[in-house]
Amino acid sequence: DAKTTQPPSMDCAEGRAANLPCNHSTISGNEYVYWYRQIHSQGPQYIIHGLKNNETNEMASLIITEDRKSSTLILPHATLRDTAVYYCIVRVDEGSQGNLIFGKGTKLSVKP
Amino acid sequence: DGGITQSPKYLFRKEGQNVTLSCEQNLNHDAMYWYRQDPGQGLRLIYYSQIVNDFQKGDIAEGYSVSREKKESFPLTVTSAQKNPTAFYLCASSPYYTGELFFGEGSRLTVL
Repeated sequence: DAKTTQPPSMDCAEGRAANLPCNHSTISGNEYVYWYRQIHSQGPQYIIHGLKNNETNEMASLIITEDRKSSTLILPHATLRDTAVYYCIVRVDEGSQGNLIFGKGTKLSVKP
Repeated sequence: DGGITQSPKYLFRKEGQNVTLSCEQNLNHDAMYWYRQDPGQGLRLIYYSQIVNDFQKGDIAEGYSVSREKKESFPLTVTSAQKNPTAFYLCASSPYYTGELFFGEGSRLTVL
């Protein structure tokens, strides 16, 4: 799987949008972009994934650039409970062994 | 409610003892996984299983063993051959061939 690059940490004010970037410049055409988050001492939680088009669900929006070399996870109105480590992962879905490679992620701190 | 249950949550063992961590899921998922997480690090894959009675080594399988006799259960044994067993262990499951993993709450093993 392609590697991803994320900033080690970010701050965000409560109620504002949190925009978390991810670079995946070597992504292949059939690799999806997945986002997970991990609140301290808990198991990771799936957030969203996409291939080419922008995606939105009840938790977040995922914006993927046209060349697919980078993406941004957007939490529209961050709350204190969104403080967590956010992981960006690329993975082939079809015929894959399901090996998600988790890097160190971005530690997002939402401040009052 | 559907989900993944890991037990025990905390475990203390003496050096040289084998320990078995339990993981049970009632999501009817085909695939199950074990990850290890060390402080400040991402997750590393130990073993995964796509179907009953079959499993494959991940990136750090040495010193660990698993079994998959039932679809719902995927126990992990940390053997005395594992040189640095103290870590946070996470079990996950997913529908076959997807990257949407559901994680348990984790088991924290401390070897004294």
